[in-house]
Amino acid sequence: GEDVEQSLFLSVREGDSSVINCTYTDSSSTYLYWYKQEPGAGLQLLTYIFSNMDMKQDQRLTVLLNKKDKHLSLRIADTQTGDSAIYFCAESEGYGGSQGNLIFGKGTKLSVKP
Amino acid sequence: NAGVTQTPKFQVLKTGQSMTLQCAQDMNHNSMYWYRQDPGMGLRLIYYSASEGTTDKGEVPNGYNVSRLNKREFSLRLESAAPSQTSVYFCASSPTRNTYEQYFGPGTRLTVT
Repeated sequence: GEDVEQSLFLSVREGDSSVINCTYTDSSSTYLYWYKQEPGAGLQLLTYIFSNMDMKQDQRLTVLLNKKDKHLSLRIADTQTGDSAIYFCAESEGYGGSQGNLIFGKGTKLSVKP
Repeated sequence: NAGVTQTPKFQVLKTGQSMTLQCAQDMNHNSMYWYRQDPGMGLRLIYYSASEGTTDKGEVPNGYNVSRLNKREFSLRLESAAPSQTSVYFCASSPTRNTYEQYFGPGTRLTVT
């Protein structure tokens, strides 16, 4: 079945760039997503990318997609302490009756040190 | 506009007890979802409701039942709680099944002793 893998922890200094990586298995995914979870809260969509795109930039966030290697990354420029959270990579399940279900990775906990 | 609300926020149950987790959304969304989140795990889909009047199993449905009471409300019931169901439960909604964004509630932290 579909699987999404990401490293569990990342620690950076304030002001540095953070890069969170993710690999996925479902080549038919239409969208790939990054969700952010702050402590004690639900998930919030941070950004997404269509599978026919290579890159998407949104202010401090850059998403890179390598479809050949099924690799997705999220770069946060000028990381701030407020960026400390868990970041989940997710893909949509393939076509058919289950289209629309999200498959989540285990989440990467980003710690930003002042 | 409250978005997605869940009650209760916290609950402790003894093994074998039953309870219902409530979820409501005020965004006029057609689709609603229940997930569980365990330490070191991503979210896993328990059940979903593509539209009012329909429900379908997700990845981990065993031990749970759901009811789509109306367009706004989607409840999750544990008939006989087990320690393995200790988890944080999230409800989510989206305009349709194929919409790219799901909106999440704040979660219910459930402990089964």
